[in-house]
Formats: sequence, C-alpha cells, structure tokens
Amino acid sequence: ILNVEQSPQSLHVQEGDSTNFTCSFPSSNFYALHWYRWETAKSPEALFVMTLNGDEKKKGRISATLNTKEGYSYLYIKGSQPEDSATYLCAPPTSGTYKYIFGTGTRLKVLA
Amino acid sequence: NAGVTQTPKFRILKIGQSMTLQCTQDMNHNYMYWYRQDPGMGLKLIYYSVGAGITDKGEVPNGYNVSRSTTEDFPLRLELAAPSQTSVYFCASILQGANSPLHFGNGTRLTVT
Repeated sequence: ILNVEQSPQSLHVQEGDSTNFTCSFPSSNFYALHWYRWETAKSPEALFVMTLNGDEKKKGRISATLNTKEGYSYLYIKGSQPEDSATYLCAPPTSGTYKYIFGTGTRLKVLA
Repeated sequence: NAGVTQTPKFRILKIGQSMTLQCTQDMNHNYMYWYRQDPGMGLKLIYYSVGAGITDKGEVPNGYNVSRSTTEDFPLRLELAAPSQTSVYFCASILQGANSPLHFGNGTRLTVT
C-alpha cells in the first residue's frame, strides 16, 4: 500500500494570511500527483494534476509545486479567504497502476 | 453530460441486510473507483476497475464486492451490512492518461443500525 502523508492534519488561519501544506510520498515509481479540494457535504474537486519534477501549477490564489526526486508536493494559498475552508487531499498514483490512494488530507479553516 | 451519477443519495440499512450502491458515468472513462469517507481519515479506496470485466482490491475491500460488466456501470455490493460500514461512499472515474483528474459522484450516505 502506497504511504501518502499530508501535513499538517489541520490548520486555522486568519483571513488574509497565506498558508501552505505538504504532501509526501515515496519517490520511486512516481507517475503523477493530484490535488483535490473537498468541502464539507460535497464531492472532492480537482485542483491540479502534476506530472513532471519541478512542475508548478497555479489557479487563482492557489498554487502547487512538485519535487519527485525527494517525494513531496507543496500547496500554497495566498491571502486565504473563508471560502478556502475545506480539506485538501493529494493522491500520487505509482507507475504502472491507476490505484489512487489518498492522504488523510489537511483540513483548513479560514477565520473571518 | 451528467458525469458520475450515484444512487441512492441516502440509505439506512439494518445489520445483516444487503444492498447495492449504483454508479454510472457517461464520459466513456476506462477507470472507475469506489471510496469511503472515514471520519478524520480522508478517503479510503475500496475497489477499482481499469475496464469492463477487470476489478481489483483497494485498501479496504473486506465486506464489499464489485462488478464491471459495462464501461458505464460500476456497482458496489454490501452482502451483510455491519455498523462499521456506516459511511459516505464516493464513486469516481478517470479518463486514461496521467493528465486527467478523477471525477467524483455526489456520494451515497449509508447508515447501518
């Protein structure tokens, strides 16, 4: 079973703060890394699909970077807003499989 | 396109009863997945399928069965419901290729009492 770790488990920030969290995964056999945003009582929504070492993706105030050699990805949120409150999940399938195992997620609460 | 459709939305089962959670997608995706949401644990993979007739176990397959007779449908069967199977179940699908994200259904909330 692929070991995916996300940190921190939960985070409270004030509106306007910038924040970041980490997804760690075994670097061997890397294939791709997915980030999802999951609001309470809704379905997860895709944020980014990252495939190349050094990849950087951006969507509005949210961006992500990928380091496949050391096995981690960072997700950044600039100027957090209350609507950013959600659980952020990562899933890194390994080469030769489409078995998407998710980390436990980082639960972000942005306080107004 | 409807995307990924799950039925029912809610269900209450008694211990020992059986049921099938339905999942269908109209995007011609090869790969389909069943996840359960465990409190504080994120999403756990139950079973997945890479095409019609092909299924494989995920992280938590015990107590569940699946079949994939068509590309569109991927039902999840609970044979003898147990309280530990109380959860929200999500079905997802993906178009083959590393640049594609998973598309999720709206979930089925199941309570076993």
